[in-house]
Amino acid sequence: DGGITQSPKYLFRKEGQNVTLSCEQNLNHDAMYWYRQDPGQGLRLIYYSQIVNDFQKGDIAEGYSVSREKKESFPLTVTSAQKNPTAFYLCASSRAGGDRVMDIQYFGAGTRLSVL
Amino acid sequence: AQSVAQPEDQVNVAEGNPLTVKCTYSVSGNPYLFWYVQYPNRGLQFLLKYITGDNLVKGSYGFEAEFNKSQTSFHLKKPSALVSDSALYFCAVRTSGASGYNKLIFGAGTRLAVHP
Repeated sequence: DGGITQSPKYLFRKEGQNVTLSCEQNLNHDAMYWYRQDPGQGLRLIYYSQIVNDFQKGDIAEGYSVSREKKESFPLTVTSAQKNPTAFYLCASSRAGGDRVMDIQYFGAGTRLSVL
Repeated sequence: AQSVAQPEDQVNVAEGNPLTVKCTYSVSGNPYLFWYVQYPNRGLQFLLKYITGDNLVKGSYGFEAEFNKSQTSFHLKKPSALVSDSALYFCAVRTSGASGYNKLIFGAGTRLAVHP
């Protein structure tokens, strides 16, 4: 999984609780992404960031929040507003955002979130 | 609308036989196509990409993919399957010319099972 570290590997959330998933990369990549993976649905983009202090909503941002205060870190918070948070969450990074279509995205090992 | 389809949920093949995992796409503009592999409880690993040029693309672990513009397909192939190839395979597409960033649209995934 290259230079992207996600923690924890497993996480449990109680009703009404916010939880934060960590993503750190040492690849010196500008762009970072969060995806949600559900069985049979492939990956869906939650948020992405092309540069420090900037981020944009993806396709399923409701109930999630992010920050990008440092280049190497892009934490994802699953808020209590996300009513169906059980899923496998994947963080990725690439050299640049924008129109660099040839850039490969590198993925972390993922965090599996379950609701108690 | 941009989309990627992987028509088979699962592909079964005997070890030593050739394998094909199918992918079709629908995009406006030039397609930029990727294949990723995911082993259980892990992140995605990049296999290969098509940007432009030769329609037959060679990638990691002996995999290759054939781009067919008229059939809008990008099937993944390997001449001789290994049991260790058993995993979940994702096709993804990114089009050029769109504003913003390196967003990937993923297919739902195809589970490859290679039997001894």
